[in-house]
Amino acid sequence: GAVVSQHPSWVICKSGTSVKIECRSLDFQATTMFWYRQFPKQSLMLMATSNEGSKATYEQGVEKDKFLINHASLTLSTLTVTSAHPEDSSFYICSACRRGDTDTQYFGPGTRLTVL
Amino acid sequence: GENVEQHPSTLSVQEGDSAVIKCTYSDSASNYFPWYKQELGKRPQLIIDIRSNVGEKKDQRIAVTLNKTAKHFSLHITETQPEDSAVYFCAASSTGGYQKVTFGTGTKLQVIP
Repeated sequence: GAVVSQHPSWVICKSGTSVKIECRSLDFQATTMFWYRQFPKQSLMLMATSNEGSKATYEQGVEKDKFLINHASLTLSTLTVTSAHPEDSSFYICSACRRGDTDTQYFGPGTRLTVL
Repeated sequence: GENVEQHPSTLSVQEGDSAVIKCTYSDSASNYFPWYKQELGKRPQLIIDIRSNVGEKKDQRIAVTLNKTAKHFSLHITETQPEDSAVYFCAASSTGGYQKVTFGTGTKLQVIP
């Protein structure tokens, strides 16, 4: 158990368009989901924390109007990169915490975003 | 906020030798310390974790030690194998409210056959 999926696994888009990435917990209820961004050869940087039914909490320096997060249900969180630019190209990874186990994070496989 | 430093950034060892990766953290409230292995283009995989009420934990060839007073924790891999080659991240987390995890900068481990 504890499988997290992401869709799409990779996406290429033109500058100025918006891209939506889905993160799903397939076999458990995720009360909290996290969104990370990872540039090549760098660490995972937390972008925001999303709790089901409430607004996401963004880390310092992350624009909430550019990176829209919606945690609509206990199994789905979405990240929308609005008006994407080449500097937004990165590997976006989500993780989810199971209800009652708030330490362990189960990571999705990541989404490679390339903005042309 | 929490700051996690990790050393070394790269590490090459001969197959069969041991590898040690060290991390320090700054927030004394941190009480959960996971270690992740990430292969290129893939998701991080939890390989071992330790909580602040424990000083050492071992799982086969992998062990983690924690010095809460000095705010140090280390990953030890014995009898390294080529499939251990990957990037390893330490992390620190504190409970309360929501569990924000701060990752170290990563160590690229290369095990030479």
